[in-house]
Amino acid sequence: DAGVIQSPRHEVTEMGQEVTLRCKPISGHDYLFWYRQTMMRGLELLIYFNNNVPIDDSGMPEDRFSAKMPNASFSTLKIQPSEPRDSAVYFCASSSPTDSYNEQFFGPGTRLTVL
Amino acid sequence: AQTVTQSQPEMSVQEAETVTLSCTYDTSENNYYLFWYKQPPSRQMILVIRQEAYKQQNATENRFSVNFQKAAKSFSLKISDSQLGDTAMYFCAFMKWGSQGNLIFGKGTKLSVKP
Repeated sequence: DAGVIQSPRHEVTEMGQEVTLRCKPISGHDYLFWYRQTMMRGLELLIYFNNNVPIDDSGMPEDRFSAKMPNASFSTLKIQPSEPRDSAVYFCASSSPTDSYNEQFFGPGTRLTVL
Repeated sequence: AQTVTQSQPEMSVQEAETVTLSCTYDTSENNYYLFWYKQPPSRQMILVIRQEAYKQQNATENRFSVNFQKAAKSFSLKISDSQLGDTAMYFCAFMKWGSQGNLIFGKGTKLSVKP
């Protein structure tokens, strides 16, 4: 398996623009997670899905952020409009309910820079 | 709410030596999982080792072992025979039992292995 795939790896945009981050989880994994990593706040869970349904979005910072999972193999995290404080590394992770240790497998992350 | 604290922002160790990274956590849960993740400069989050709270035996994975002290809510990581490739950020993380969701991370410890 190729692991969790994220695109793009790097994104540079200007304030006010719409940004879309993409994630393909590991095949067969029913859970998908979006995390944000910053120097100040560390790694934070933004939202997670189970069987394509959002379960907990309490970590989404504000209405400018939205996430979707239209099918089992694809998810997006959208920021509209983007702001400089959104600059961070965004990770997608997936896990399988059959894994007794609940291990989450992470993608390589997308480094977002908002100018 | 659960919290995870890593009190050592940075550490260094000579190659082939042993180093211990500290982690404490706060929870009212009795059953849970604990993890150590490694994040090398490539940014990829890699699971190093994991522990279930109900297991008294400390987990071991090759050169990596933990000292799990449930009463003290302590979960330290020992790296033996340190290698240059161990240079990375190390994150301690907590997850409630039965939850596929919220991984709560510490702020991380930056480990440098020196030749």
